[in-house]
Amino acid sequence: EIVMTQSPLSLSVTPGEPASISCRSSQSLRHRNGYHYLGWYLQKPGQAPQLLIYLGSNRASGVPDRFSGSGSGTDFTLKISRVEAEDVGVYYCLQGLQTPPWTFGQGTKVEVK
Amino acid sequence: EVQLVQSGAEVKKPGESLKISCKGSGYDFATYWIGWVRQMPGKGLEWMGIIYPGDSDTRYSPSFEGQVTISADKSITTAYLQWTSLKASDTAVYYCARGGVVVAETLTAFDIWGHGTMVTVSS
Repeated sequence: EIVMTQSPLSLSVTPGEPASISCRSSQSLRHRNGYHYLGWYLQKPGQAPQLLIYLGSNRASGVPDRFSGSGSGTDFTLKISRVEAEDVGVYYCLQGLQTPPWTFGQGTKVEVK
Repeated sequence: EVQLVQSGAEVKKPGESLKISCKGSGYDFATYWIGWVRQMPGKGLEWMGIIYPGDSDTRYSPSFEGQVTISADKSITTAYLQWTSLKASDTAVYYCARGGVVVAETLTAFDIWGHGTMVTVSS
């Protein structure tokens, strides 16, 4: 089973400032087709998770361009270029290369100061 | 509108059985995987299993294999998660999610999520 490790586990950010979350996998998430099977999800308070990024760097439909994903192999990063109040919640990475099971990171709680 | 609508909150006693549902609409239900995710109180997300309604191909996380049963009825565009004997540790919110992002014939992400079903197991 691939283990996903996120850091930091919590983050407090001033509105308008950037934020960055790291996700590391215990094995490479690169498929033989060249894609990395890593997604990012945001769970806002009291809501279901929502997809932000898939295949490591592709924004899902309707996701603001202040969100970006990058990385390869075992190291991935989610960046928010300018944090807004509506970005609060818990961010999770999820690997989909070696399944089952799909495995989530522990989550990173983002607060806005 | 593409959506997944889950059944309502449940309160059960230990040892009781339960089946919760997730109804898809606005898309061809049979041709997209449906996954189930558990979130225990104050905790993170745990992937439980997945089913392809078209042929009922089902895959479980080793942590949940034998503990729950995932099924689907494509004729009524509904997926299910069921328990035969609930435990207090099954208390959680359960989400269904559509495996809607497929690249190179491989499922890569879950794009539509249900609102969640809260299951409380208490004596």
